[in-house]
Amino acid sequence: AQSVTQPDIHITVSEGASLELRCNYSYGATPYLFWYVQSPGQGLQLLLKYFSGDTLVQGIKGFEAEFKRSQSSFNLRKPSVHWSDAAEYFCAVGEAGGTSYGKLTFGQGTILTVHP
Amino acid sequence: EAQVTQNPRYLITVTGKKLTVTCSQNMNHEYMSWYRQDPGLGLRQIYYSMNVEVTDKGDVPEGYKVSRKEKRNFPLILESPSPNQTSLYFCASSSPLRSEAFFGQGTRLTVV
Repeated sequence: AQSVTQPDIHITVSEGASLELRCNYSYGATPYLFWYVQSPGQGLQLLLKYFSGDTLVQGIKGFEAEFKRSQSSFNLRKPSVHWSDAAEYFCAVGEAGGTSYGKLTFGQGTILTVHP
Repeated sequence: EAQVTQNPRYLITVTGKKLTVTCSQNMNHEYMSWYRQDPGLGLRQIYYSMNVEVTDKGDVPEGYKVSRKEKRNFPLILESPSPNQTSLYFCASSSPLRSEAFFGQGTRLTVV
C-alpha cells in the first residue's frame, strides 16, 4: 500500500529565508506526486504536480519540487518565503491508473509559520 | 469556473440525527471522493466513486454512506452521527487522465 511521510510537523522560518519541506513516499511503481497548500479556513489548492519527465517541477507562487526516485522523495522548495506563505502543506501520492486512479494518499501535513 | 461545491460549510448536530453533506462538480469528472481531515492525520479517504452508480469504500468508511445517481453529485450521508465523526470533510473530483484532484471548500462538522 502506498504511504506518504512528512517528517516535519511544524516549521518556522523568517520572511525572506529559503524553505524546504520534506516528503517521502512509498509506492510500488512510478507515482503521481502532488503538493497542496491549505490556508486557514480554506480548501486545498494545488501547488504543483509530477507525473513524468523533468524531475524538477515548477508550481504556483514561486514553489518548486524535485522528484528523486532513488530517495523516494519529493521535497518542496521556495527560495524566499513571504508572510502570505504561512499555511499547512500536504504532500500526496496518486495512483497512476488501475481501479483507484483518483485516490490520493496524503502525508500528515507540515504547518509553516513565517516570522516577520 | 471549474469548481467543486460543498454544502453546508459548517454544521453542528446532535448524536444520532441523520445528516447529508452535498457535493457537486461542474467539470464532468468521472471520479469523486470524500476525505476527512483530522489534526496530525492529514486527509483520509472515506468513500469514492468511479462513475454513476459505482461506489466503493476508502480507508475509513465506517459510519458513512454515499450515493452517485448523477455524474455531478456525490452526497455524503451520516445515518447516525457520533462525536468521533466531528471533523473537516472535503469532497474532491478528478478525471482518469491525470489523477489531479480538485477539492471543495470543506465542511466543518461538529457532532455533540
